Amino acid sequence: NAGVTQTPKFQVLKTGQSMTLQCAQDMNHEYMSWYRQDPGMGLRLIHYSVGAGITDQGEVPNGYNVSRSTTEDFPLRLLSAAPSQTSVYFCASSYSSFSGAGETQYFGPGTRLLVL
Amino acid sequence: DAKTTQPTSMDCAEGRAANLPCNHSTISGNEYVYWYRQIHSQGPQYIIHGLKNNETNEMASLIITEDRKSSTLILPHATLRDTAVYYCIVRSINTNAGKSTFGDGTTLTVKP
Repeated sequence: NAGVTQTPKFQVLKTGQSMTLQCAQDMNHEYMSWYRQDPGMGLRLIHYSVGAGITDQGEVPNGYNVSRSTTEDFPLRLLSAAPSQTSVYFCASSYSSFSGAGETQYFGPGTRLLVL
Repeated sequence: DAKTTQPTSMDCAEGRAANLPCNHSTISGNEYVYWYRQIHSQGPQYIIHGLKNNETNEMASLIITEDRKSSTLILPHATLRDTAVYYCIVRSINTNAGKSTFGDGTTLTVKP
């Protein structure tokens, strides 16, 4: 299994440009999430999904859109990039269990985004 | 999900045990304690989790106090490769893993 993959690894954008960060997992996990991590800070949840066709907002959703058309893919769209969105973006996936407990998240290697 | 408090940073000598504390005084009965770590520039990695009993796996041990208001992650023989940021997370069984919220964690530096 490749696990959780993210593309691109690094991207430079100009203010106002749009782009899509790709995330894919091959573990048949139902749950997928996007986090951002600013320098020296912890991870903050942007959006998450509990299955194909179902998404919800996290702590910092403004300026980002997501969709989940398949179990495997969970792209993150930046609508109009701003310098404040300069960050490292991590995608994660996890399986569901009947009890709801014991699920662990598997993280991708991250996408480093610089907005000028 | 309950909030957690961790020290900002800690040092540990190589080969010694690293004991990382986490305070979660508002934890409720259906909330688990999870530990992840993030080695520089990489995605976080799951370490261990528990409800009320102490747990051990090949990476670490998790000690949870009887009142469950705090816990300690123990790396029994720390190596330089254990230098990382360690996150303590409390999550309810009613909250799916995809909604986990991470704080700022503890930066552990293992020194030769």
